[in-house]
Amino acid sequence: AQKITQTQPGMFVQEKEAVTLDCTYDTSDPSYGLFWYKQPSSGEMIFLIYQGSYDQQNATEGRYSLNFQKARKSANLVISASQLGDSAMYFCAMREGRGWNSSTGANSKLTFGKGITLSVRP
Amino acid sequence: DAGITQSPRYKITETGRQVTLMCHQTWSHSYMFWYRQDLGHGLRLIYYSAAADITDKGEVPDGYVVSRSKTENFPLTLESATRSQTSVYFCASSHLAGGPNTQYFGPGTRLTVL
Repeated sequence: AQKITQTQPGMFVQEKEAVTLDCTYDTSDPSYGLFWYKQPSSGEMIFLIYQGSYDQQNATEGRYSLNFQKARKSANLVISASQLGDSAMYFCAMREGRGWNSSTGANSKLTFGKGITLSVRP
Repeated sequence: DAGITQSPRYKITETGRQVTLMCHQTWSHSYMFWYRQDLGHGLRLIYYSAAADITDKGEVPDGYVVSRSKTENFPLTLESATRSQTSVYFCASSHLAGGPNTQYFGPGTRLTVL
């Protein structure tokens, strides 16, 4: 089974409108973290937002918020007031395991979804 | 502030040749990673490292070798390149393993194997 599922086809949104990018995950570990990254056409990977499995509130970072529904195992990214510069590919990723340090690095790994392409229309 | 760099940025090679992709970070991060990005697959982990001389396989390690003799460097070697290894390769690093500590990515190396 895939650990991170991003199944939306290419998404389109009108400038200044909000858009939701879907992500579902699969893990049996009670301790995990969810990340969203943006990859513009220039190719770099840009970290957007993080949600921990024990966090009580949904994460927010400026125009980005994460709609975290633990029982449904979903971690959807919401972008408010879309801008033309938001056109990019977006990746959801998960890290499993406890602890901030690991001698082996086992809980440092990220598993990525296949990504969603977002196009913002003027 | 150089951050994390990769070289070369672009490489064309032939089947059967050995190729080494370099990754260098200036933050003294303990953890380093190599991913490959292919259309329809997202990013897949090849190898990772928790510290100098500590490395382990990721999801797709076959055909690749890594070493980490110094904290700041994490080279990835394709011992005998195959066409299926044509991809974009990203190196990443992080200070700590878990929690909200994100991985910081290099700019990527686009490798074409003919």
